[in-house]
Amino acid sequence: QVQLQESGPGLVKPSETLSLTCTVSGGSISSHYWSWIRQPPGKGLEWIGYFYYGGSTNYNPSLKSRVTISTDTSKNHFSLKLTSVTGADTAVYYCARDQVKPTGNWFDPWGQGTLVTVSS
Amino acid sequence: DIQMTQSPSSLSASVGDGVTISCRASQSVGTYLNWYQQRPGRAPELLIYSASSLQSGVPLRFSGSGSGTDFTLTISSLQPEDFATYYCQQSYSTPKTFGQGTKVEIK
Repeated sequence: QVQLQESGPGLVKPSETLSLTCTVSGGSISSHYWSWIRQPPGKGLEWIGYFYYGGSTNYNPSLKSRVTISTDTSKNHFSLKLTSVTGADTAVYYCARDQVKPTGNWFDPWGQGTLVTVSS
Repeated sequence: DIQMTQSPSSLSASVGDGVTISCRASQSVGTYLNWYQQRPGRAPELLIYSASSLQSGVPLRFSGSGSGTDFTLTISSLQPEDFATYYCQQSYSTPKTFGQGTKVEIK
């Protein structure tokens, strides 16, 4: 059973770069799509973007200029970098497998999430 | 972007009640519509995919229906563990977008 675990600093200063890693266990990162999703405290969910192990990426236009999602297949993990952060980027960040099937695509499973606070 | 609008934003119900949550897309998404449950302090979990397919392990009291722009999540008989926030999400096109959520509270 595939499990995901986010890791990274819980506090980032304004204007700096947020960096998170999602480690995948119980399965290979290859041949799947992998997404990052965030949730500001008390608010709804926002899709950040996905990475496909073959090398393609797709980012939310609202964040595209600041986001990079990449992978390290040798370590079976993928990463998120978000540059020039502000308080609006304070959120719980989730990683999730993007299941792609002929009938549709959905997020399953999800990591437990990690809270990142942007503050000086 | 495709906008997803859920109604109601919150509701109060008792254990054993039937509950219906609606989700409307700003344009047709076919059946590329998924539902998630999020309990407090927890990550969202997949309930329904492709509008009406029940995820493995999800109780049969949950069901989904709809196509095009209008969708419904139904819980036939609320159980204590069902008090949570529910989100719809379209996967028809990127950026993938979620509804604002419906919080189901205990009456």
